[in-house]
Order: sequence, then structure tokens, then C-alpha cells
Amino acid sequence: DAKTTQPPSMDCAEGRAANLPCNHSTISGNEYVYWYRQIHSQGPQYIIHGLKNNETNEMASLIITEDRKSSTLILPHATLRDTAVYYCIVRVVDSGYALNFGKGTSLLVTP
Amino acid sequence: DAGVTQSPTHLIKTRGQQVTLRCSPKSGHDTVSWYQQALGQGPQFIFQYYEEEERQRGNFPDRFSGHQFPNYSSELNVNALLLGDSALYLCASSFGAGGKAFFGQGTRLTVV
Repeated sequence: DAKTTQPPSMDCAEGRAANLPCNHSTISGNEYVYWYRQIHSQGPQYIIHGLKNNETNEMASLIITEDRKSSTLILPHATLRDTAVYYCIVRVVDSGYALNFGKGTSLLVTP
Repeated sequence: DAGVTQSPTHLIKTRGQQVTLRCSPKSGHDTVSWYQQALGQGPQFIFQYYEEEERQRGNFPDRFSGHQFPNYSSELNVNALLLGDSALYLCASSFGAGGKAFFGQGTRLTVV
């Protein structure tokens, strides 16, 4: 699976949009981009995933560049409860189940 | 609908001892994976079980072993505990190997 690069930390004001970037320049054509988050002392939580089209669900939006070498997770109206470590993972869906977590981005939402 | 449940939540063991951690998958899920998360690091994949067999394994020594039961629940066993085995152990379940993963809250293991 391709490696990803994320900034180690970011801040965001409550109520504003949080935009979390991820670089995956070596991504293959059959690899999806997954986002998980981990709130302190809890297990990781699935957020969203996509292949090449932009995706949106009740939690977030995922914007993937046309060349698929980078993506952005958008939390449209961040709340204090969104403070967590966010992991960007690329994975071939049918390759098995191992999720290769890096160190992620620690997002701090401030009042 | 109960999600993924793990037991115990916390555990303290002595170096050299053996430990067994347990996981019940989310209803309808048939695949269980285990991860180790050291302090300040992302989770690291240990192994995955499907149809009661180990299907995939990460870079962990043979001291780490597992089992999956007919009801899809799973155990993680670690023998000859080392201080470096102290970590949060996470269980994740899915429907099929490539399905969306749901994680439990983890078991915090401390080796002294």
C-alpha cells in the first residue's frame, strides 16, 4: 500500500471548517483513500473513503485531486468533539484488511 | 446493536507472564483483526482472522498468537511478555476482509 504524508498537528476554531490535507503521491490506480479518526483513549472511527470522485457523508467531505496524488478531508463546521487524531490511509480494497496507520494529524478545535 | 466489545479494559501483567485478550465483533461481522498501539503512535496491524483461520499477519513475533471461534469472536494471546508489549490493543471487525472496519475501545495492557 502507498505511503501517506500528513502534517503532525493543526488548529481550527470551533464553527469553522477544518481542512486536513494528505499527500499520497505513490498511490496506485486500485487504491482507495480512507480516513479514520481517534478521539483520545478510544478506538479509531471510520469517517469516509473514496477512489477518485469527491465523497460526502454526514460526517465529512473528501476531496481527491484529479491526479489522485493528494486529498483533503473537510469537517464543515468543526466542534470541540472533533478534537482527535485523523489518519489518512490508502489501501487496495480487496488486498486484505490491514490498515496501515501512520502518525496522523492531531487536530485541536478551540472555542 | 452492540458494536465491537473488548475485555478486559485494563490489565497489568508481570514480565514473562502470558495474557489473553478477548473481542466480540459487531453483529453481522465475520472478520476480526488485531492492532497494537504504543503511546504516541498509530495502530500497528498484528493479524486478521476469517473463517477461524489466520489470513494475514503483520510484523509481529510468534509470541503473538490468536484464535477465532465459530461465533466469530476472537482471542489474542501474548506469551513471555516484555515491557515493550505495554500498549493499547485494538480489535476491529468487518464483514469480509475488505469491509469497512469498526474498532472496539481497546484493552490497555501494562507490563511491569
